[in-house]
Amino acid sequence: NAGVTQTPKFQVLKTGQSMTLQCAQDMNHEYMSWYRQDPGMGLRLIHYSVGAGITDQGEVPNGYNVSRSTTEDFPLRLLSAAPSQTSVYFCASSSPRGRGYGYTFGSGTRLTVV
Amino acid sequence: SQQGEEDPQALSIQEGENATMNCSYKTSINNLQWYRQNSGRGLVHLILIRSNEREKHSGRLRVTLDTSKKSSSLLITASRAADTASYFCATSKTGGTSGSARQLTFGSGTQLTVLP
Repeated sequence: NAGVTQTPKFQVLKTGQSMTLQCAQDMNHEYMSWYRQDPGMGLRLIHYSVGAGITDQGEVPNGYNVSRSTTEDFPLRLLSAAPSQTSVYFCASSSPRGRGYGYTFGSGTRLTVV
Repeated sequence: SQQGEEDPQALSIQEGENATMNCSYKTSINNLQWYRQNSGRGLVHLILIRSNEREKHSGRLRVTLDTSKKSSSLLITASRAADTASYFCATSKTGGTSGSARQLTFGSGTQLTVLP
């Protein structure tokens, strides 16, 4: 099925560990973004990309790295996990070519840092 | 910082009633979007309204936009139990590069419960 695929769905990390959250889309969308969602809050933008090789910081980029080597993939790296990074992470994609500019979201990765 | 703020934070209605949710935002926008999130799931795009539009319909959804008041409302008519979810408004701002402007800023959401 066409859409945004995130892996893993659940992850528990120890403080200081590193990991990569995977995101892939098969809709040939130029724009991809990573958000985090904390209880009682909306989504906050971490990093985004407007095309392969182009990334930029969002509202809460500290502690996270991204790269965009292909149109399809946009991994999010946590270099040294901290308890404050416990959250649900969503990847989303969109295309400027469509009339709607609405984003398609993945189903999320629930991350717990202990 | 949150660009949009939804009101109310929680809404509980009976099946068949209409549900109205409001969103206020702070800066000039290019468009405003509404999303639905079922518990434990990702967000689903519902509808987009551009800054030069005042009202838009999609099925049982009606969205209005008042740029002078920097506010929007989402009306769900004849609600169903399946409409139970969190609803978020998100704004795409004007200015900046086209890529940065397309990024969305979300409000904190309205939790809608439709009772059967």
